[in-house]
Amino acid sequence: DAGVTQSPTHLIKTRGQQVTLRCSPISGHKSVSWYQQVLGQGPQFIFQYYEKEERGRGNFPDRFSARQFPNYSSELNVNALLLGDSALYLCASSPDRNYGYTFGSGTRLTVV
Amino acid sequence: QQQVKQSPQSLIVQKGGISIINCAYENTAFDYFPWYQQFPGKGPALLIAIRPDVSEKKEGRFTISFNKSAKQFSLHIMDSQPGDSATYFCAAAVTGANSKLTFGKGITLSVRP
Repeated sequence: DAGVTQSPTHLIKTRGQQVTLRCSPISGHKSVSWYQQVLGQGPQFIFQYYEKEERGRGNFPDRFSARQFPNYSSELNVNALLLGDSALYLCASSPDRNYGYTFGSGTRLTVV
Repeated sequence: QQQVKQSPQSLIVQKGGISIINCAYENTAFDYFPWYQQFPGKGPALLIAIRPDVSEKKEGRFTISFNKSAKQFSLHIMDSQPGDSATYFCAAAVTGANSKLTFGKGITLSVRP
């Protein structure tokens, strides 16, 4: 079975630009969460989507948005990029909202 | 305010030894406590998890010990191997609402041959 797949794997953007990151969950998983991991830190929760509805949002500015599609894949959008947005963005999927989150390998975003 | 704190910050263990990583939490509403292992360039991988109604859980060489009154839990890696060298994160969640995982800062484990 394929795991959680994220694309692209690496990305370089300029300050002020917009970026879209994509995630395909494990087949049958209906919950997708997004996390930001800054170098040397633990992942920080950004969003959770379950059955295409936003179920939770972390302490991130409105420049961050996400959505989940009917096939349960998800996109994370970040507008007006700042240097501080440089991080590894992780997607995790789960069969439900509670347990057993499986993480993808992430998208490494560098803002210059 | 850091809700989940890990110690030590780094750990060096000889091959065959026991690695012990500790975690303390503040939110008594947490009811799910997983440990994740992360290798460079990869996402965190779930190792083992525990609920607060259990004091210990063992899976292979990995054991979680949970102390609800002290609000602490720990990961023990028995017979540590060089392949266990990675970053380890403890996390906690309140299941039901959005079940967001609150992670510790992580510790780097090095297992010397």
